[in-house]
Amino acid sequence: EDQVTQSPEALRLQEGESSSLNCSYTVSGLRGLFWYRQDPGKGPEFLFTLYSAGEEKEKERLKATLTKKESFLHITAPKPEDSATYLCAVQEGGSEKLVFGKGTKLTVNP
Amino acid sequence: DSGVTQTPKHLITATGQRVTLRCSPRSGDLSVYWYQQSLDQGLQFLIHYYNGEERAKGNILERFSAQQFPDLHSELNLSSLELGDSALYFCASSIAGVPNEQFFGPGTRLTVL
Repeated sequence: EDQVTQSPEALRLQEGESSSLNCSYTVSGLRGLFWYRQDPGKGPEFLFTLYSAGEEKEKERLKATLTKKESFLHITAPKPEDSATYLCAVQEGGSEKLVFGKGTKLTVNP
Repeated sequence: DSGVTQTPKHLITATGQRVTLRCSPRSGDLSVYWYQQSLDQGLQFLIHYYNGEERAKGNILERFSAQQFPDLHSELNLSSLELGDSALYFCASSIAGVPNEQFFGPGTRLTVL
């Protein structure tokens, strides 16, 4: 069973059309939930860390939220340059490894 | 630019061969992590080194090994390569502790023919 599940797998939006990406997790003892952006052939770029339920973080058009079972990445009025794969990852217990979901590929059309 | 560097960017080799991938962490980071990204498996943790010592192993094959040197750079050695080893290999670095934010390098694309 996957510990981190992201949905949808792919999402197409028109420029300016807001939406949300979901990341659900089943780990116990969550220490941190991380969002990354990855462009094709590039390394993941760190976006946010969320530590506890109820926490929210914002950066430009992106806002990440966390509950006890899932996290959402809200994209407000997206632009074509927001097109990328968005990855969610968790750290649990005393482990420093990141456990990643398979990502959501976002395409924003002009 | 994350501050993490990886060389080479691309590597093409044949089955049965051995290759070495190199990673230099961000200045001040003592932890180095290696991840493998393939199309069907996504990003998978391989191994973690902290200040020269192995801290944790993930789904790393016995044909793969790594080390971290006194100057904190790390090398991932892949031997007896198989077609299925073709993937992107990423290195990440961070300060120690949990939770921590890991910063990824640009990756090495390995193609095994």
